[in-house]
Amino acid sequence: NAGVTQTPKFRILKIGQSMTLQCTQDMNHNYMYWYRQDPGMGLKLIYYSVGAGITDKGEVPNGYNVSRSTTEDFPLRLELAAPSQTSVYFCASRDQDRGTPLHFGNGTRLTVT
Amino acid sequence: AQSVTQLDSQVPVFEEAPVELRCNYSSSVSVYLFWYVQYPNQGLQLLLKYLSGSTLVESINGFEAEFNKSQTSFHLRKPSVHISDTAEYFCAVTTYGSSASKIIFGSGTRLSIRP
Repeated sequence: NAGVTQTPKFRILKIGQSMTLQCTQDMNHNYMYWYRQDPGMGLKLIYYSVGAGITDKGEVPNGYNVSRSTTEDFPLRLELAAPSQTSVYFCASRDQDRGTPLHFGNGTRLTVT
Repeated sequence: AQSVTQLDSQVPVFEEAPVELRCNYSSSVSVYLFWYVQYPNQGLQLLLKYLSGSTLVESINGFEAEFNKSQTSFHLRKPSVHISDTAEYFCAVTTYGSSASKIIFGSGTRLSIRP
C-alpha cells in the first residue's frame, strides 16, 4: 500500500516555465488537497477536491490550476512560474468522513529562479 | 471562515522537561481539531485529534491535548520530552458546516530539545 505518492521530489524551474506536480493515492479517498509550505508560514491550502470532477479554491490559489479526472490523481499545474512559487508542495488525501485525518505525501521541493 | 493561531514559532526545552505548545482557533461553527507532527525532511503525520466526547485526547507517544471551547484552544502538552520529539508541530481545524472539506493549518511550532 503506497499511500500518497508525489513526483518529482525536487525541481528547479526558470521564471515563466510551466510544470505539473503529480499526486496519486491508492486508498480510494474522495478528498484530496494541495498545500504549500513556506518557512514560518505553516501550510497554506492551494486547491482541494471532494471527488472526481469537483475542485475548489483554497487560501492561495492564484498562479495554480488543478484537475481531478479520476479518484486516484490530483495534479497541480503551474503555468507561468514565478519566484514567489518557490516552496515545498504537499499533496494529501482523506476519507470523506469529516473527522478522518489527512494522509500526506513526502512533498515536492520546487525552486523558481 | 475558520482560522488557526499558533503563537509560538519556536519552543526550546531541556530533555525530560514538560512542554506546552499553544493553539487557538476561530470558527463560527463547531470544529474538529488536529495536531500533526513533521519530522525533518518528511511529510506530516497525525499526532492526535479531537472530534467529540472527552475534551482530553492522548497520543501513543505521551502527548495530550485538551479542547477548551470557552477559550477556543487546543493546547498540546507532554510532561517529559525526549530528544526524539524534536520536530515541527502543526495545529489544524476543520468545521462541521458546509465548508467541512477545508482543513486549515496554523503556522507551526518548532520544538527543539536540548540535552
